[in-house]
Amino acid sequence: AQSVTQPDARVTVSEGASLQLRCKYSYFGTPYLFWYVQYPRQGLQLLLKYYPGDPVVQGVNGFEAEFSKSNSSFHLRKASVHWSDWAVYFCAVKNSAGNKLTFGIGTRVLVRP
Amino acid sequence: GALVYQYPRRTICKSGTSMRMECQAVGFQATSVAWYRQSPQKTFELIALSTVNSAIKYEQNFTQEKFPISHPNLSFSSMTVLNAYLEDRGLYLCGATGGNYAEQFFGPGTRLTVL
Repeated sequence: AQSVTQPDARVTVSEGASLQLRCKYSYFGTPYLFWYVQYPRQGLQLLLKYYPGDPVVQGVNGFEAEFSKSNSSFHLRKASVHWSDWAVYFCAVKNSAGNKLTFGIGTRVLVRP
Repeated sequence: GALVYQYPRRTICKSGTSMRMECQAVGFQATSVAWYRQSPQKTFELIALSTVNSAIKYEQNFTQEKFPISHPNLSFSSMTVLNAYLEDRGLYLCGATGGNYAEQFFGPGTRLTVL
């Protein structure tokens, strides 16, 4: 069965510093991977998605992620964090039929001024 | 573009009563609709997957008797939470897939509070 692990429940980072959020997946075959963000009291917004191709994927608001098949990872990065990035970030993998997602537990990002 | 709307955005119900939430896809044909629940401080759990002209598939720990779903056409789905209790509170998301789009589009969610 497919699964997603986000090992860090919470990450605190200073504004302007770089950010990396870790995601490991388990999937038989070629995975389709996503990062979503949930701002306080809101639903999910798509940050970026990986479909087989270039392993580095660019997303919105300066986010990017890198797919690694050998490490079964899809880590999210941002070079310079802004206070508005304070949110919970979810990594997800899509099933082969493409109609449902399995989510990680989420990583809460706190931004220090 | 492809959009998904959910109604209501927030709702409060008394313990033991039921509430219905709706999901509407605009700009594409939602051949599949997945309903998820995010309980407080938790991740998103899949409740069930509904595909037009197929049986609705419920995940373990979720049943049709508790969460009946209707998916009558390619733009609309609804789910009812029957006999709601405290453990049913949370954010309910619908994710729709279909048309020429490979990704799943999410609505903003219905936040359920149970008193």
